[in-house]
This record gives sequence, C-alpha cells and structure tokens, in this order.
Amino acid sequence: DAMVIQNPRYQVTQFGKPVTLSCSQTLNHNVMYWYQQKSSQAPKLLFHYYDKDFNNEADTPDNFQSRRPNTSFCFLDIRSPGLGDAAMYLCATSRDGSGGALNTDTQYFGPGTRLTVL
Amino acid sequence: GEDVEQSLFLSVREGDSSVINCTYTDSSSTYLYWYKQEPGAGLQLLTYIFSNMDMKQDQRLTVLLNKKDKHLSLRIADTQTGDSAIYFCAESLIQGAQKLVFGQGTRLTINP
Repeated sequence: DAMVIQNPRYQVTQFGKPVTLSCSQTLNHNVMYWYQQKSSQAPKLLFHYYDKDFNNEADTPDNFQSRRPNTSFCFLDIRSPGLGDAAMYLCATSRDGSGGALNTDTQYFGPGTRLTVL
Repeated sequence: GEDVEQSLFLSVREGDSSVINCTYTDSSSTYLYWYKQEPGAGLQLLTYIFSNMDMKQDQRLTVLLNKKDKHLSLRIADTQTGDSAIYFCAESLIQGAQKLVFGQGTRLTINP
C-alpha cells in the first residue's frame, strides 16, 4: 500500500545531542512537509519541500533543519534539542500544492515520531 | 491573520449524532479539511470540502460549510466508541505550496 512512513516511532535524545528523524513515502508526491505538534496543541508547520525547493516558515527556529535527498525521503535534523523541543513530529505529503479544483493538494500524514528530550 | 477555532471538548452518547464546529478567518481558503487523530497516532484524513460547496456527505459523515459566516461543521451519525478521538479542522492556503492551518482540535468522548 502506498503510504507515508516515519522512523523511528519513538525517539529519545539528550539535551543538546543532535537527532535526525526520517520520513519516506511511496506516493511519489512532489511536496513533503514537517509539522511539530506539542501536547494538546494543533500541528504547526515547520517547513516544506516543493520538489527540491526548501520553504521555511518564518517562525521556525534555526535549530531545525531539513534535507530531501530524493523524492521519497525527507529528514528533519534538530541540531541541539532543548527540553522545549519534545513533541510529536509529523511528516505529510501532497501530490502538488498549486491549488485548483482537482485538489491535488490534500496532505497525507505519517504516524508521527514522538521525541523525548532528557 | 489566519486563525481556526474549535471548541475543545464534546461528549455524546453512543448512537447519538456528534456535531463538531469550526470557524475560520481566511475567505480565500480553497479547501477545508477534517482530520482525526487517535491517541499517539498521526492525522487521518476524514473528509474535505471545496469552498464552492455547501455540503458533502460520505457515509456517516456530513460536512456543512457556511462560507458567509466562515463556519464549518462535521456531523457524525450514529456515533460509535471507535469515533473517540481528537478532530482537527484545517483551512488551506496556497502560499507557494499548500499551507494547512489547523484548529486546536475537539476531543470527542463517547459515553455508553
């Protein structure tokens, strides 16, 4: 089945120790997104890739970086995790993102990676 | 600015209908979405409605859109225990690629 896969599902890291979260997709979608969701809050968009073009949200801290080596994979790197970065990190994909009546923009989410910072 | 609001909690009896409400601010939104999130899981797309539609029905789910009032609702008929989850309303904005703005989510609890 075509899907969005996130690994690992649970990640524990130490304060200040770099960590990488992984997302892969078999949908062959052009756009990949990373969201941060803290407890009892709405998901918040960090950044997205439209093909190889990286688009950062204005309020995303510099501590968060992303890489997309090919269509299928996208990584979230947290350079120096703080206690406030503990959250669920959600990856999503969409076929396109240019709008329009065909709705090729619908985002499909992976199961998330829950990050704990000790 | 962009803002999506939902009530935080809803409790219904099993077998009754659940109605979850949402208001949004951006009239240029092309699509509005409902996602379901079960504990510890990602977001599952339930349904969506295009902004030029008033209503969409999909089995037990009915979405109503009042574009004038910027009000969206999700009705779940014959609510079951498996419907217990957090339901997120989201509006879409096209800024380069699509950007989803989520509400805070409504926690639906089913009483036996």
